[in-house]
Amino acid sequence: DTGVSQDPRHKITKRGQNVTFRCDPISEHNRLYWYRQTLGQGPEFLTYFQNEAQLEKSRLLSDRFSAERPKGSFSTLEIQRTEQGDSAMYLCASTSLSAAKETQYFGPGTRLLVL
Amino acid sequence: AQSVTQLDSQVPVFEEAPVELRCNYSSSVSVYLFWYVQYPNQGLQLLLKYLSGSTLVESINGFEAEFNKSQTSFHLRKPSVHISDTAEYFCAVSPLAGTNAGKSTFGDGTTLTVKP
Repeated sequence: DTGVSQDPRHKITKRGQNVTFRCDPISEHNRLYWYRQTLGQGPEFLTYFQNEAQLEKSRLLSDRFSAERPKGSFSTLEIQRTEQGDSAMYLCASTSLSAAKETQYFGPGTRLLVL
Repeated sequence: AQSVTQLDSQVPVFEEAPVELRCNYSSSVSVYLFWYVQYPNQGLQLLLKYLSGSTLVESINGFEAEFNKSQTSFHLRKPSVHISDTAEYFCAVSPLAGTNAGKSTFGDGTTLTVKP
């Protein structure tokens, strides 16, 4: 068990560019979550997957955001036409559906800065 | 729906002093409760969690939290803090079951600063 990994750890981009982040969850976990954390705030839910199915999207997730989990393993989060307000830490977490294991395991996050 | 309120945004304390970080929550369903710690430029690490059973839960590094159902609180305490405890602490709740199981709602965090 190597934990949840995210790539890249840091991303600096210019406004209007597209960016894509990757998350590799713990291998036996079938649920995967994306959160956004801005300075001074707690993480805010963006979306989550059960296996490859995207079950819920927050209203925070505008049309410029898209997430996929094509084979029920890793996931990608893409932001198109980035805006300065997208600057934040993007956190991925995974969990098992087992009732005794509803702990979310978080990755280290991808910090995005939009100039 | 769930909400979490961390009553103190910043808590400064001297080394070896006791500390309490307060967390209240509201939820229409039964929830698990968590405390996470976040060090600068890092992701969240689970500190401790309450799932069921004894209302007092402890972590390996001396923190403890007590679940109080009647007051809907889950305050975090440590009897003697160290400089290395300086970090951001987040309280979170997660529904036990259903489609939202595992989907956490976080408070806005409490910055604990331990001074020498």
